[in-house]
Amino acid sequence: EAGVTQFPSHSVIEKGQTVTLRCDPISGHDNLYWYRRVMGKEIKFLLHFVKESKQDESGMPNNRFLAERTGGTYSTLKVQPAELEDSGVYFCASSHSRGNGYTFGSGTRLTVV
Amino acid sequence: SQKIEQNSEALNIQEGKTATLTCNYTNYSPAYLQWYRQDPGRGPVFLLLIRENEKEKRKERLKVTFDTTLKQSLFHITASQPADSATYLCALGGSARQLTFGSGTQLTVLP
Repeated sequence: EAGVTQFPSHSVIEKGQTVTLRCDPISGHDNLYWYRRVMGKEIKFLLHFVKESKQDESGMPNNRFLAERTGGTYSTLKVQPAELEDSGVYFCASSHSRGNGYTFGSGTRLTVV
Repeated sequence: SQKIEQNSEALNIQEGKTATLTCNYTNYSPAYLQWYRQDPGRGPVFLLLIRENEKEKRKERLKVTFDTTLKQSLFHITASQPADSATYLCALGGSARQLTFGSGTQLTVLP
């Protein structure tokens, strides 16, 4: 089966601009997660979708971040406007409702300059 | 606050030996614990999951133990190979499905 796909793999934007990250989970996986790793820190949870519904968005840093999951398939994470501290690697993961572990994508490296 | 500590940021061992990685946690009662492998420029890859009522799990050359009294998990790689060189991440999960990750241990297996 195809893995979790994230696009783009790298993005460099200026402070104040908008960036949209996309994640295509494994087909049939109801659970979709976004995580982030900023320089020198641990991977941190951002939010969790079950199908198209936000189950838990307690990790979202602030209202500049907006996540959507259209029709319970792919998901987007928009940062608007981007700030310097938003730089990091954004990972998407998916799991089956009764999955044993999470399948992560390769991540999107976001650099805000 | 919840805290996860993984032993030494880097661990070097000789090929053929057993690598033992440690994950300690505080202020947390996880329902399960997962171990992931991460290579540079890639996302974490799931290896093993162990639940709070399990003491040990094995998969090929991998073994995980979970001691909820000590609040510790040990991750063993037997007969280590240079291809096992990577960063290994410990992650804890509870009733909410989000994972809390440790900072990882970078393992280097020397030929």
